[in-house]
Amino acid sequence: DIVMTQSPDSLAVSLGERATISCKSSQSLLYSSNKYFLTWYQQRPGQPPKPLIYWASTRESGVPDRFSGSGSGTDFTLTISSLQPEDVAVYYCQQFSRTFGQGTRVEVK
Amino acid sequence: QVQVEQSGAEVKKPGASVKVSCEASGYTFSTYDIYWVRQAPGQGLEWVGCMNPRSGASVYAQNFLGRVTMTRNTSISTAYMELRSLTSEDTAVYYCVIQMPPDFWGQGTLVTVSS
Repeated sequence: DIVMTQSPDSLAVSLGERATISCKSSQSLLYSSNKYFLTWYQQRPGQPPKPLIYWASTRESGVPDRFSGSGSGTDFTLTISSLQPEDVAVYYCQQFSRTFGQGTRVEVK
Repeated sequence: QVQVEQSGAEVKKPGASVKVSCEASGYTFSTYDIYWVRQAPGQGLEWVGCMNPRSGASVYAQNFLGRVTMTRNTSISTAYMELRSLTSEDTAVYYCVIQMPPDFWGQGTLVTVSS
């Protein structure tokens, strides 16, 4: 089974500053033709996870462009370029629509 | 547009079974796999298994083998997840997810296991 590991477990960032979350998989997530089957989710309390980024770097419709995804192979990154109050949440990565990372809690410093 | 309607909250005693339903609409039901994820209180996301609605074939996570069964009724575009031999550790919100991508999540069904 593919194991997903996120870092850090929690992150405190000042408003307007950059937040960066790493996700590493135990096997390559290459799906086809440079497409990587890696999804990033945002989960606010009491709500289901909301997909932000899929295919590792494709932003879901309606997601602000301060969210971006990058990476390939086994190493992936979610970046929030300028943290806003509404970005306080837990973020998860997921491989091949299966297992998830343990989550990263993002808070305002 | 795609919509998912999950069944309501359940309270079960240890040792019992629970069957959660997931009615999908807004697309052809057999087109996309459906998977289930659970989230215990204050914990992360745990993948339970997935099902191909066209064939009915399912794959389950190791942790649930022998205890979970995923089925569907294509005539009413509804998928089901049954979990047996419940313990307090199964108390969680269970989500039905349509694998599109991007995947489309239901609102979740709270299952509480308590004596």
